[in-house]
Amino acid sequence: GESVGLHLPTLSVQEGDNSIINCAYSNSASDYFIWYKQESGKGPQFIIDIRSNMDKRQGQRVTVLLNKTVKHLSLQIAATQPGDSAVYFCAENRSRRNTPLVFGKGTRLSVIA
Amino acid sequence: DAGVIQSPRHEVTEMGQEVTLRCKPISGHDYLFWYRQTMMRGLELLIYFNNNVPIDDSGMPEDRFSAKMPNASFSTLKIQPSEPRDSAVYFCASSLIAGGEEKLFFGSGTQLSVL
Repeated sequence: GESVGLHLPTLSVQEGDNSIINCAYSNSASDYFIWYKQESGKGPQFIIDIRSNMDKRQGQRVTVLLNKTVKHLSLQIAATQPGDSAVYFCAENRSRRNTPLVFGKGTRLSVIA
Repeated sequence: DAGVIQSPRHEVTEMGQEVTLRCKPISGHDYLFWYRQTMMRGLELLIYFNNNVPIDDSGMPEDRFSAKMPNASFSTLKIQPSEPRDSAVYFCASSLIAGGEEKLFFGSGTQLSVL
């Protein structure tokens, strides 16, 4: 059969507005979650992480929210800037430590100046 | 710290040739990971090492792929013979899980094009 390319969800946001990027995870046993930002031509860069004993964690202009009931993770970016344009990945640790993170497919954020 | 260093940044080769990608992890990190990224499949884990020992290579696509970590500061990913479908960006990442930090630090990647 014919293969199709990976279609990334795209979020377009006006500069200065807040962005919310969502991620659903599958394993209720996952206890560690992390967001990465990947700019064109670069490797993924760590943004923020959260453990399952927390619901919310804030960084500089970014907030991660974790809803374990519905297995949902979100990344909020305040006052989005053109430099925030990138692909954002969520990742989870599906079992105990010392095992690799499992990455989602990513969401492309496009900031409109 | 210089971060994870990968070389070369770009590699263009012909089908059938041997390709060697190199990685220097962050000093002191105890885990090293090789990932492949394509538009078709996203970010895929190929293999990872703990203290220079391969732990899981189930993501390696086939026998043409091999990886080594002769010491704590160097790893290679080799493809022999290379095929056009191997064209992708290959990332190396390291982490210090023993220290309680599970986040990965990625290198800038090697863009591989097999003609």
